[in-house]
Parts: sequence; structure tokens; C-alpha cells
Amino acid sequence: AQSVTQLGSHVSVSEGALVLLRCNYSSSVPPYLFWYVQYPNQGLQLLLKYTSAATLVKGINGFEAEFKKSETSFHLTKPSAHMSDAAEYFCAVSDLSGGYNKLIFGAGTRLAVHP
Amino acid sequence: GAVVSQHPSWVICKSGTSVKIECRSLDFQATTMFWYRQFPKQSLMLMATSNEGSKATYEQGVEKDKFLINHASLTLSTLTVTSAHPEDSSFYICSASTDMNTEAFFGQGTRLTVV
Repeated sequence: AQSVTQLGSHVSVSEGALVLLRCNYSSSVPPYLFWYVQYPNQGLQLLLKYTSAATLVKGINGFEAEFKKSETSFHLTKPSAHMSDAAEYFCAVSDLSGGYNKLIFGAGTRLAVHP
Repeated sequence: GAVVSQHPSWVICKSGTSVKIECRSLDFQATTMFWYRQFPKQSLMLMATSNEGSKATYEQGVEKDKFLINHASLTLSTLTVTSAHPEDSSFYICSASTDMNTEAFFGQGTRLTVV
């Protein structure tokens, strides 16, 4: 079975500092991997996705993530944090069992950005 | 991009009543729709997968008779919480995808409060 582990339920950074949100996955087959952002009482917005093309994936709002098969990781980074980046971030892996595209989510990481 | 709309955004109902939540794909045909449940400060847990014209597939531990899912068309799926109780209070989110798409598009979520 596939699973996702997000290390650190809370991450706090200063405005302008590097953002690093960690995600490790477990999968017996090549996975699709996603990062989503959620603002309070809202749905999920896709930041970026890895679908077995380039291992370094660039997303919206300056975020990027690198797929490292040897480390089974898909960490999310942003060079310089902005106050508007404060939100909940979810890493997800695609479970293609049964021919359906459904997502298995990590527990989430709450990012706080302080002045 | 593809748009998925949920209605209502929030609902308050009395204990023992039923509540219907709609999930619509506005600009694409969604062969498959997924229903997730999110408790406060927790991750999303998949409840069920619905395919147009067939019965939904429920995840282990999800009561089929309590959470009725209907996917009557390629643009609409509904989730009905029957005989709702306070413990059913949660944030319900749907997503939709097509066979040709590796990305699932999310609705904005529905906040259900049972009093």
C-alpha cells in the first residue's frame, strides 16, 4: 500500500527565509506525487506535481520540489518565504490501483511565516 | 484550468436530519469523483470513489448507508449524510478527474455542522 509521511506538523520561518517542507513516500510502483496548499476553510490548490518526467518540478508561487527516488522523497522548497505563504501544505501520492486516480494524503504541515 | 464547484459551502443542520452536498465539474466531464472528509487540523481521508452510472466504492470503515453517494451524470456527484449526528460535523471535500488526466481537481469544500 502507498503512504506519505510529512516530517514536521508545524514549520515556522521568517519572511524572506528558505522554506523547506519534507515529504517521504512509500510505493511499490512509480508514483505520481503532488503538493497542495490549503487556506482556512477552503479546498485544495495544486502547487505542483511529479508525473515521471523531469525530477525537478516547478510550481506556482515560486515553489518547487525534487523527486529523489533513492531517498523516496519529494520535498517542497521556496527560496524566499512570503507572508501570504502561511497555510497548510499537503503532500499526496497517487494510488492507481483499480484504474482510478485517487490521492493518499500526508498529515499536512502548517507553515507559519513571521515578519 | 478545470473547475469543480461544491454546494453549499457551509451548512448547519439539526441532529437526525439529512444533508445533501453537491459536487459539480463545470467545464469538463468527470468520469470519476472522490469524496474526502477532513476533521479539524487533520489530513484528508478518502471516503469513497464514485463513477458515473455505477455504485460508489467505499473505503474501509465508511458506512455506505450513512453516506449515500450518487454520480448520476458526468458533471454531478452528490453526497448525502443521512440521519446526521454531531460527530458527522466535518469539512467535506470532493475532487474530480478524467481517465486521461493525472490531476484531480478539488472543490472548495463544504463545512457541515450538526447541532
